[in-house]
Amino acid sequence: DTGVSQDPRHKITKRGQNVTFRCDPISEHNRLYWYRQTLGQGPEFLTYFQNEAQLEKSRLLSDRFSAERPKGSFSTLEIQRTEQGDSAMYLCASSDKAEAFFGQGTRLTVV
Amino acid sequence: GEDVEQSLFLSVREGDSSVINCTYTDSSSTYLYWYKQEPGAGLQLLTYIFSNMDMKQDQRLTVLLNKKDKHLSLRIADTQTGDSAIYFCAVSTSGTYKYIFGTGTRLKVLA
Repeated sequence: DTGVSQDPRHKITKRGQNVTFRCDPISEHNRLYWYRQTLGQGPEFLTYFQNEAQLEKSRLLSDRFSAERPKGSFSTLEIQRTEQGDSAMYLCASSDKAEAFFGQGTRLTVV
Repeated sequence: GEDVEQSLFLSVREGDSSVINCTYTDSSSTYLYWYKQEPGAGLQLLTYIFSNMDMKQDQRLTVLLNKKDKHLSLRIADTQTGDSAIYFCAVSTSGTYKYIFGTGTRLKVLA
């Protein structure tokens, strides 16, 4: 078990560009979460999947954000028309029971 | 909505005990967690407690839960310089599975 893997670790993009992040959860974990963390703050919930079904989305997740988890395995988070306010660490976590394990995150910088 | 609060900073001397405190608002919180985050890294699950427990001990870590006061604490015995990090309290409610995090407590261990 290699833990939760996120790719890329760092992404610098120009404002207005689209970006996509990938998360590979711990195998056999049926729950997958996306969180966003800005400097000096705790992680904020974005969305949650159980298998391939997206069961909950935060109101933080504007129309420019979309997440998928085809086949209930890896997940992608896409941000369209990035804005400077999207600069943050995007964290993915997976769980099968009470414990959620986090990846190392993708740090996005929008310039 | 659910709110989780923590003090921002704690400084202790190496070898002393550290106590990090957390308060939450949702009395239906089912699982309560402590995560550790080192600079530039993801979150590491340290321990968690189910809401029907008062205490849980795991090596140097002791978690105390006071449900009446909605207060959670993490005690680290014999604190080491490697314990310097940000510690996040998080709560979840059965059925939603999303985690609500506090803003984190930055622990500094002085040699």
